[in-house]
Amino acid sequence: DTEVTQTPKHLVMGMTNKKSLKCEQHMGHRAMYWYKQKAKKPPELMFVYSYEKLSINESVPSRFSPECPNSSLLNLHLHALQPEDSALYLCASSPQGIDYGYTFGSGTRLTVV
Amino acid sequence: GQSLEQPSEVTAVEGAIVQINCTYQTSGFYGLSWYQQHDGGAPTFLSYNALDGLEETGRFSSFLSRSDSYGYLLLQELQMKDSASYFCAVRGRGANNLFFGTGTRLTVIP
Repeated sequence: DTEVTQTPKHLVMGMTNKKSLKCEQHMGHRAMYWYKQKAKKPPELMFVYSYEKLSINESVPSRFSPECPNSSLLNLHLHALQPEDSALYLCASSPQGIDYGYTFGSGTRLTVV
Repeated sequence: GQSLEQPSEVTAVEGAIVQINCTYQTSGFYGLSWYQQHDGGAPTFLSYNALDGLEETGRFSSFLSRSDSYGYLLLQELQMKDSASYFCAVRGRGANNLFFGTGTRLTVIP
């Protein structure tokens, strides 16, 4: 299995809702990432998990809460989002300590209304 | 911090060769990678250069000059399916921290 699977593919949520994005990989990668991508912009790093521990938080607002239950799963819990949080949320994985060859999922297209 | 600049748009004819440039500024350099992203799709890893010179992978080649803080992606025998966005990327602060360039939108025309 050489894929990163993200669910759901599309999500519409109200500003008072709580939702979760899910990401799964079975490549044995021990580093997993959440990126946010706005239209016509590059992916922006949000969080990095290394060996299931949060190693980087790029000053992301607390309404985004990551979780790594095990080495194959990564979640992003969403609460009280704003319309400007609407974006494509990408999950990626890589071997630990490697800065290239990331494998990305196809993303969750999030719309906050 | 990191800064990677790319041309925003490039248009080329099917069958031709196109070069996408990337100039970077980074506090510590470990290598330059390239990713392709089709509309609505996942970024896909294309190539990586840690040392100066040209790396060839099929129709795609990537070049790096560390002294010039510059690299490029070369696409040969362009096909319509090559129409996509292309991003260069470098390591950010610390390991496992990939920072992307501004991106180049390539349009291949018949």
